[in-house]
Amino acid sequence: QVQLVQSGAEVKKPGASVKVSCKASGYTFTGYYIHWVRQAPGQGLEWMGWINFNSGGTNYAQRFQGRVTVTRDTSISTAYMELNRLTSDDTAVYYCARDSGWEYWGQGTLVTVSS
Amino acid sequence: QAVVTQEPSLTVSPGGIVTLTCGFSTGVVTSGHYPYWFQQKPGQAPRTLIYDTSNKHSWTPARFSGSLLGGKAALTLSGAQPEDEAEYYCFFSYSGARWVFGGGTKLTVL
Repeated sequence: QVQLVQSGAEVKKPGASVKVSCKASGYTFTGYYIHWVRQAPGQGLEWMGWINFNSGGTNYAQRFQGRVTVTRDTSISTAYMELNRLTSDDTAVYYCARDSGWEYWGQGTLVTVSS
Repeated sequence: QAVVTQEPSLTVSPGGIVTLTCGFSTGVVTSGHYPYWFQQKPGQAPRTLIYDTSNKHSWTPARFSGSLLGGKAALTLSGAQPEDEAEYYCFFSYSGARWVFGGGTKLTVL
């Protein structure tokens, strides 16, 4: 069955970077895009960007441009989202999700930014 | 930056009908925006109800339907159940490759 399994919770200091992983299984990885979405506590969903698992091409939301990088390692069917220059406003649950119907989501990774 | 507007909150009676709408700052919402609707309950990950305007997943209750209505995307719930109380988010593609969520509608079944 299709699964997206994300890495565990992280605690970071302001100014640091975080890298969250999303391991895919149960389907042909190169046929889909992986999106990243985040949700701050008590707030709505926010789209961050996607990666084409086949080509490695990416696209990011304007507000994260220059601060976020999404990559993938096809050999281990894993996508990564790295966010730099963290502030307390980046405290959120980060999700990966597979496109084409968005049927499948990762379980979410809580990133806490605190001094 | 595209802005998507949803009703902040709506209330529906059990068994009643309610329509949630989603407007887009750039103008009319079309099928080319591939509208999605997600349901999220407290403490849970979002779940896709509708994709590409009106398509349902196997788990989408038949009482939910998606459409385009008056230049907006719409999610209609016919025969509301207590378990439908949740936050609902619409989601659009724009500029060919970017996506944006609406702010969410808190639906109360009361």
